[in-house]
Amino acid sequence: DAGVIQSPRHEVTEMGQEVTLRCKPISGHNSLFWYRQTMMRGLELLIYFNNNVPIDDSGMPEDRFSAKMPNASFSTLKIQPSEPRDSAVYFCASSQDSTGSYTFGSGTRLTVV
Amino acid sequence: SQQGEEDPQALSIQEGENATMNCSYKTSINNLQWYRQNSGRGLVHLILIRSNEREKHSGRLRVTLDTSKKSSSLLITASRAADTASYFCATEAAGNKLTFGGGTRVLVKP
Repeated sequence: DAGVIQSPRHEVTEMGQEVTLRCKPISGHNSLFWYRQTMMRGLELLIYFNNNVPIDDSGMPEDRFSAKMPNASFSTLKIQPSEPRDSAVYFCASSQDSTGSYTFGSGTRLTVV
Repeated sequence: SQQGEEDPQALSIQEGENATMNCSYKTSINNLQWYRQNSGRGLVHLILIRSNEREKHSGRLRVTLDTSKKSSSLLITASRAADTASYFCATEAAGNKLTFGGGTRVLVKP
């Protein structure tokens, strides 16, 4: 298995633009998580899905952020409009409920200028 | 807010020495996990210890859990330069979601 795949690896965009981050979880994993990592706030859980259904989105900063999981093999995190304070590394992770451990992707480094 | 808090924030040791880092948390948990993150990379799962376990080993790693004190420790024995990384504890309470601490940056000098 290639692991959790995220794209793009790096994204530089101008303030006000729409940004879409993509994630392909490990086949057979039934939970998917989006985290954001910054120096100031560490790793923050934004949202997670179980069996493609959003379970907890309490970590989503504001209405500019939205996430979808249309099927078991794909999820997106969208920021519209983007702001400089959204600059961070965004990680996607997946897990199989029975194991408890997460497998993380390599992350998307987002810079909003 | 962060559930787990690691201590120390940074640690510098010589190759061959042991490295110990601690994690404290606030609420009851189902399990506690440790992850490693190399610079610019994603997190890698190291070890999981359940709330009814007190100690667990995996290779050169030893994890303890004291639920009465709400604390855990990670010991890396005979450290190597390749162990240089940030180490995070994460707690799972209800709902199968992990909450991460701020991490300990470990530098192993050759």
